[in-house]
Amino acid sequence: AQTVTQSQPEMSVQEAETVTLSCTYDTSESDYYLFWYKQPPSRQMILVIRQEAYKQQNATENRFSVNFQKAAKSFSLKISDSQLGDAAMYFCARRFQGGSEKLVFGKGTKLTVNP
Amino acid sequence: DTAVSQTPKYLVTQMGNDKSIKCEQNLGHDTMYWYKQDSKKFLKIMFSYNNKELIINETVPNRFSPKSPDKAHLNLHINSLELGDSAVYFCASSQEMQGIQETQYFGPGTRLLVL
Repeated sequence: AQTVTQSQPEMSVQEAETVTLSCTYDTSESDYYLFWYKQPPSRQMILVIRQEAYKQQNATENRFSVNFQKAAKSFSLKISDSQLGDAAMYFCARRFQGGSEKLVFGKGTKLTVNP
Repeated sequence: DTAVSQTPKYLVTQMGNDKSIKCEQNLGHDTMYWYKQDSKKFLKIMFSYNNKELIINETVPNRFSPKSPDKAHLNLHINSLELGDSAVYFCASSQEMQGIQETQYFGPGTRLLVL
């Protein structure tokens, strides 16, 4: 099965604290791309961060970073210094390659940021 | 500047009607996609077009017919609308670089409600 699993339907964090959202996936490929997208109440899908599987270094974008464990097929998102504007649904996605460039999404994690 | 735009943003219609959703991207990308997000927020690929050619058709009912007049536009026509078609439909686009599709950028979504 080619699935992406987000085991946390909901998470909450205090403002200024750190939170980690988990994601695992299934694949038989050695090279692929992983993404985290954010969907605020406005419904817009916003790219947060992406990771190429061939890179050993974890991707970082300002307060957002990933912990990519290729052998474990794990791709968690860490949000540091959480802000009220981080409240949203977060979707982990994996891109298949080689003629079928679709994104397969997890079911999402709803993040609440408490003031 | 709007990168990926969709019209309309909201669409309320009766069962059995035919409706269209339009998508345009001004990013110069050569691949466009339609995704469906159901009431449980699950996102799933429907179609993908590369340079106006259909690449992906994910077992979508043939009441759904995508049309790509040029590589900047991908429209979605739905015949004989059913209650189960109620969802948010997202258009996305990406650019192929060295045989690999780069990051997908999403439109704002079209919320379709079938009564």
